[in-house]
Amino acid sequence: AQKITQTQPGMFVQEKEAVTLDCTYDTSDPSYGLFWYKQPSSGEMIFLIYQGSYDQQNATEGRYSLNFQKARKSANLVISASQLGDSAMYFCAMREGPETSGSRLTFGEGTQLTVNP
Amino acid sequence: EAGVVQSPRYKIIEKKQPVAFWCNPISGHNTLYWYRQNLGQGPELLIRYENEEAVDDSQLPKDRFSAERLKGVDSTLKIQPAELGDSAVYLCASSLALDSSYEQYFGPGTRLTVT
Repeated sequence: AQKITQTQPGMFVQEKEAVTLDCTYDTSDPSYGLFWYKQPSSGEMIFLIYQGSYDQQNATEGRYSLNFQKARKSANLVISASQLGDSAMYFCAMREGPETSGSRLTFGEGTQLTVNP
Repeated sequence: EAGVVQSPRYKIIEKKQPVAFWCNPISGHNTLYWYRQNLGQGPELLIRYENEEAVDDSQLPKDRFSAERLKGVDSTLKIQPAELGDSAVYLCASSLALDSSYEQYFGPGTRLTVT
């Protein structure tokens, strides 16, 4: 079974509108972390936001927020007020194990976001 | 603060030739990762180092791939001999043991094309 599933290969949004990128995960480990990375066409992976499995509140970082629904095993990324520069590939990733371990990240297949003017 | 440095950025080789990639992590980061990203997919871990020790190399094709991290800083990933299916972007990342999220900082990657 896929550990990280991103069901939207591509998404389109109008500039200044909000968009939600879906991510579901599968793990039996009670301790895990969920990450979102942005990868522009230039190729670098840019960290956006992190949610720990024991965090009580949804993570927020500027225009990015993570809608964490633990019972449904989903960790959707919400981008508010989209900008043209947000056009990129977005990856959801999971680290299994406690925060004190530098274990591997398992990535989803990504969602290509296009922001239209 | 300088980010993760990788070289070369691009490499084109013929199949059966050897190739090597170099990575310099962020200063002070004790954990180093090598990922491979195939076109249209997310990165997949090849090997993870804690200081000099390779602690997770279960996904490294050991018949042709090798890696080393001398002195727990720079790292080199080698492929010998390269195959057509090795064409991909090879990403290096590093993280700090004391960072509560264990956020991984990625380098720009090396795009390998095997012809």
